[in-house]
Amino acid sequence: SQQGEEDPQALSIQEGENATMNCSYKTSINNLQWYRQNSGRGLVHLILIRSNEREKHSGRLRVTLDTSKKSSSLLITASRAADTASYFCADTSGTYKYIFGTGTRLKVLA
Amino acid sequence: KAGVTQTPRYLIKTRGQQVTLSCSPISGHRSVSWYQQTPGQGLQFLFEYFSETQRNKGNFPGRFSGRQFSNSRSEMNVSTLELGDSALYLCASSLGGLAGQYEQYFGPGTRLTVT
Repeated sequence: SQQGEEDPQALSIQEGENATMNCSYKTSINNLQWYRQNSGRGLVHLILIRSNEREKHSGRLRVTLDTSKKSSSLLITASRAADTASYFCADTSGTYKYIFGTGTRLKVLA
Repeated sequence: KAGVTQTPRYLIKTRGQQVTLSCSPISGHRSVSWYQQTPGQGLQFLFEYFSETQRNKGNFPGRFSGRQFSNSRSEMNVSTLELGDSALYLCASSLGGLAGQYEQYFGPGTRLTVT
């Protein structure tokens, strides 16, 4: 299977804490994207990091990319209850399809 | 701009039947992708269309097919339904180009239950 994997599969933290989740992908990517899915808003794009970038920030999100290890991490700082969701990475290899990881289920406790 | 819409939102079918799902992309988006989401397999890519042409296909049997119309709206069809086809089917649109070049915008999905 080409499917990547997120680690951990599930994460539970207190509001205000930081949450870190990791993604291992299998292809030789052009870009890597992170998505969030919750019951209220469905699947939503969070951030895109290109293969020639090592780190990218967007608000409370920080994404890193290590192409030599085929891994990426997503850090959410100062988490809120509204961040409770599943988080997926999606890698793309120069074709026209996205390969989504298995996802990390994040629960932020108020 | 209106978001990606999918119809119907919920569907119950019997084994052996066929089903057609519809997706209307965001205005101006020419690429439409379809995914199947199940608890066991996660998000699996089905196929992607751009300007009425299928550019890539996932590892699904031939019972799964799709098409795209000149207005970029897309349909997917599943024939001879099996119990294992029960899933959330998601449609996503983007401007097009190589995968990853642009973000994808997802619809709310169609929940298909096969009994």
